[in-house]
Amino acid sequence: AQSVAQPEDQVNVAEGNPLTVKCTYSVSGNPYLFWYVQYPNRGLQFLLKYITGDNLVKGSYGFEAEFNKSQTSFHLKKPSALVSDSALYFCAVRDRESGYALNFGKGTSLLVTP
Amino acid sequence: GAGVSQTPSNKVTEKGKYVELRCDPISGHTALYWYRQSLGQGPEFLIYFQGTGAADDSGLPNDRFFAVRPEGSVSTLKIQRTERGDSAVYLCASSLGQNTGELFFGEGSRLTVL
Repeated sequence: AQSVAQPEDQVNVAEGNPLTVKCTYSVSGNPYLFWYVQYPNRGLQFLLKYITGDNLVKGSYGFEAEFNKSQTSFHLKKPSALVSDSALYFCAVRDRESGYALNFGKGTSLLVTP
Repeated sequence: GAGVSQTPSNKVTEKGKYVELRCDPISGHTALYWYRQSLGQGPEFLIYFQGTGAADDSGLPNDRFFAVRPEGSVSTLKIQRTERGDSAVYLCASSLGQNTGELFFGEGSRLTVL
């Protein structure tokens, strides 16, 4: 079985400050990890993924995420938040040995204030 | 078109009626997924197609739900005897078919069962 936990329903940050959106995962094997963003009335958009290699992965719009195997975490980060980053963020996991379905967390709402 | 297209964008129906939701994936994408997203929740996996066949239908909640992809492109999600609890946004996604690949989502079909 595989699952994702996003412990924060909402994250508030001031524009220009660094942001972190937390994600922990559980898989029986090794994970493929993803972050998606959902803007109001828009479809889910891919941000970045961890497949193998460097634990720090860089993605769209200046976002990055760090894979930490010992803590089973894949937190999303950005050094300097923009108001336009305000959206709903979803972490997702796929067990590389057992299938193709992505399991999503419940999402974290990010609000960046001017 | 360039992206995943879903129709209708909104569907209101009465309890007990039959509903079909259509998904037109990105051209050349062999993998197609259906997800369901309820308010305040992350997308919930329903079914995955590789080509014409359902490779994983473990997420379908019961036998009222069925999906087809007869020619390996367009897919239809069919819901019989709709119930109020079926109200949600139904998301379709496609990908190139490798399990390392990201999913490309449509904007969803919002189903409301009265």
